[in-house]
Amino acid sequence: QVQLVQSGAEVKKPGASVKVSCKASGYTFTTYAIHWVRQAPGQRLEWIGWVNTANGNTKYSQKFHGRVTITRDTSASTAYMELSSLRSEDTAVYYCASDRAPIEAGGDVFDIWGQGTMVTVSA
Amino acid sequence: DIQMTQSPSTLSASVGDRVTITCRASQSIYNRLAWYQQKPGKAPKLLIYEASSLESGVSSTFSGSGSGTEFTLSISSLQPDDFATYYCQQYNSYSFGPGTKVDIK
Repeated sequence: QVQLVQSGAEVKKPGASVKVSCKASGYTFTTYAIHWVRQAPGQRLEWIGWVNTANGNTKYSQKFHGRVTITRDTSASTAYMELSSLRSEDTAVYYCASDRAPIEAGGDVFDIWGQGTMVTVSA
Repeated sequence: DIQMTQSPSTLSASVGDRVTITCRASQSIYNRLAWYQQKPGKAPKLLIYEASSLESGVSSTFSGSGSGTEFTLSISSLQPDDFATYYCQQYNSYSFGPGTKVDIK
């Protein structure tokens, strides 16, 4: 079935980097963009950025520009989100999600979500 | 940046009640508005897209309306499985509202 499966929980020290993976299955990976969204404890969902899985182009929220890198490996049907210079405020559940419409249709809503990856930043 | 607000922040209701949640955008987003349901410890679930289109497999008790800057999500008859937090999202630049928690009265 169509699903996104993310890597496991991470605990990092302030200043470190974290890389979370998101493996797609059940559909053609390069048809739909992958977005990354995070949710700090008790907070709203926050969009981080997205990757065009067909050509690798990316777009990031201004808030994370310079600290985040989103990539994809088409041979592995996997997208990655790397966040650097971690601080305590980055403690959150990180989700990947795929667009409902194909990439060529333009930006769309997120219909398939990964299970989430808890990233804890603590000294 | 487009800012999203929701009201109320918490809504207490009973099974069978009709409930309505409002979402406002800081500028026109036409109909590029989605609604998601999230339960504790789970990923969000898409309910509504294009402001009023029901996602496949979602109960017809859910409906959405609005355009421009003001939108609503309605649940015509609240079911036990509907107690959750609801988020609106504009998908021009992807920001989310702060959420509305629907709990049991």
